[in-house]
Amino acid sequence: QVQLQESGPGLVKPSGTLSLTCAVSGASISSNNWWTWVRQPPGKGLEWIGEIYHSGSPNYSPSLKSRVTISVDKSKNEFSLKLNSVTVADTAVYYCARDGGSDRGGAFDFWGQGTMVIVSS
Amino acid sequence: DIQMTQSPSSLSASVGDRVTITCQASQYINDYLNWYQQKPGKAPKLLIYDASNLVAGVPSRFSASGSGTDFTFTINSLQPEDIATYYCQHYDGLPRTFGQGTKVEIK
Repeated sequence: QVQLQESGPGLVKPSGTLSLTCAVSGASISSNNWWTWVRQPPGKGLEWIGEIYHSGSPNYSPSLKSRVTISVDKSKNEFSLKLNSVTVADTAVYYCARDGGSDRGGAFDFWGQGTMVIVSS
Repeated sequence: DIQMTQSPSSLSASVGDRVTITCQASQYINDYLNWYQQKPGKAPKLLIYDASNLVAGVPSRFSASGSGTDFTFTINSLQPEDIATYYCQHYDGLPRTFGQGTKVEIK
């Protein structure tokens, strides 16, 4: 069974950098899948942040592109998210997910449990 | 970006009722659409992919249809465990975007 687990600080200061890691088990990060980050502000809907393939080719949401970096560590079977210059608007539950639910791509079939990140001084 | 508009934003129905949620894309997306269920405090769960394909293990009371810009998600015979927020999501290009969600409650 594929499992994903997010980890990282739950509190980040404004203007700082949010850093999260997603550990993948039960599947190889080098498989033919994209690996994705999605976030959800409290009480609000889902926002796609970006994705990466094991070859290291990331795609980002245009609204976050200037601040976000997604990378992959094949030796640890994990991928990471960095979001810099954070503000209170970046407070959210951050999910990592596998894009593998459809042969055409674009369906997120396995998700981490999510990790709450609060931006506050 | 392609905008996804769901309606209604919330609904209340009785156990056993048929529930229908619609999702409209701001431009043509063929059948590149998925549906998710999210229960409070939990990660979303993929229910339907490619507009109408039920994920293995998902109860058959869930179904969906549509193509182009207009899509429908249906729960036949609503059950208490179906209380959740449901989201549509397109994957016709980047960025992937979600609808704003439809919260389903029991009357």
